[in-house]
Amino acid sequence: DAGVTQSPTHLIKTRGQHVTLRCSPISGHKSVSWYQQVLGQGPQFIFQYYEKEERGRGNFPDRFSARQFPNYSSELNVNALLLGDSALYLCASSSEQGTTNYGYTFGSGTRLTVV
Amino acid sequence: AQSVSQHNHHVILSEAASLELGCNYSYGGTVNLFWYVQYPGQHLQLLLKYFSGDPLVKGIKGFEAEFIKSKFSFNLRKPSVQWSDTAEYFCAAIFYSGTYKYIFGTGTRLKVLA
Repeated sequence: DAGVTQSPTHLIKTRGQHVTLRCSPISGHKSVSWYQQVLGQGPQFIFQYYEKEERGRGNFPDRFSARQFPNYSSELNVNALLLGDSALYLCASSSEQGTTNYGYTFGSGTRLTVV
Repeated sequence: AQSVSQHNHHVILSEAASLELGCNYSYGGTVNLFWYVQYPGQHLQLLLKYFSGDPLVKGIKGFEAEFIKSKFSFNLRKPSVQWSDTAEYFCAAIFYSGTYKYIFGTGTRLKVLA
């Protein structure tokens, strides 16, 4: 079985641009969550989606948005990129929302560099 | 506000030494707790989790953690570390207060000397 897949693996963008990151969950998983990991820090929670609805949101500005598609894949969009948005963006999937007996399975992430 | 704290940022041990990494959380409601490990160049992997029941949780690779509700703690332990345990360890929690928030600690870098 494929794990959580994220694309692209690396991305370089210019300040002010827009970026879309993509995530495909493990087959059968209905919950997807997004995290931002800055070097030297723990992952910061951005969004959680379950059954195509937003179920949780972290403390990120409105420039960050996400959605989940009928096939449970997800996109994270970031508008008006800032240098501080440079980070590893992680996607994780789970078979259930929130409190789950399985924990989340993480992808390898998308490394975003804003110049 | 909900938070997860890891007080040891860097730990260096010799092989066969015992390990205990501290994790504290702040929240009076329902919380689910996790420890994740990130080996160099690899993605986060779940070590163990606590939801309810026996507060002593056993995970993979000989790791265990104890949930102490009165201390808001969920410390990770291993009786005898190996060089291959060199990695970064993250404590995490799911808090629910109308919506879900998944919060990670800042991580502890463990280096095991052969």
